[in-house]
Amino acid sequence: NAGVTQTPKFQVLKTGQSMTLQCAQDMNHEYMSWYRQDPGMGLRLIHYSVGAGITDQGEVPNGYNVSRSTTEDFPLRLLSAAPSQTSVYFCASSRRERDTIYFGEGSWLTVV
Amino acid sequence: GENVEQHPSTLSVQEGDSAVIKCTYSDSASNYFPWYKQELGKRPQLIIDIRSNVGEKKDQRIAVTLNKTAKHFSLHITETQPEDSAVYFCAATRGNNRLAFGKGNQVVVIP
Repeated sequence: NAGVTQTPKFQVLKTGQSMTLQCAQDMNHEYMSWYRQDPGMGLRLIHYSVGAGITDQGEVPNGYNVSRSTTEDFPLRLLSAAPSQTSVYFCASSRRERDTIYFGEGSWLTVV
Repeated sequence: GENVEQHPSTLSVQEGDSAVIKCTYSDSASNYFPWYKQELGKRPQLIIDIRSNVGEKKDQRIAVTLNKTAKHFSLHITETQPEDSAVYFCAATRGNNRLAFGKGNQVVVIP
């Protein structure tokens, strides 16, 4: 049981490049979400999903896409990277409403 | 949407003393309130949570209280130890586990 696994852990992108942050969980959790964490800002919700085939926007969705084709995977795509997307990205999952939310180890992204 | 505020931003306590962090939230429909501890370079780790149908919850040295009327909830750490030094985040959600986080409190336990 690996929990929530994120890859890559570190990434440097050039402005305008695209990439996908991978997130997988092996706990059969229905709820998955992506957050970004910037210094002094706490964590902010980008996108979330309440089950396979269902996604919705969070607080800061612009510049990001998600899909949920399986229960296990919830990739986050950066369409055209900008320096403002330099941040630490956390994927999270939980079994049901108001249940413990588990976070992945984070992905450090720098856009130059 | 939900707005969560934390006070104070930094808290220094002597080892063995108690630490209290207070959060306020704006959405009266919020029904789940977790607290996370985050060490430098690490992921947030859940330390305690409370649901809206409960006023208080305790787990060893950690307790959380919820006042729905005033829309605030507080984290209490008793008998603080150096390993309690970290950033603590409160959060709230009204549904679908969409967490709104506060900006975090740096707790420093002085040996």
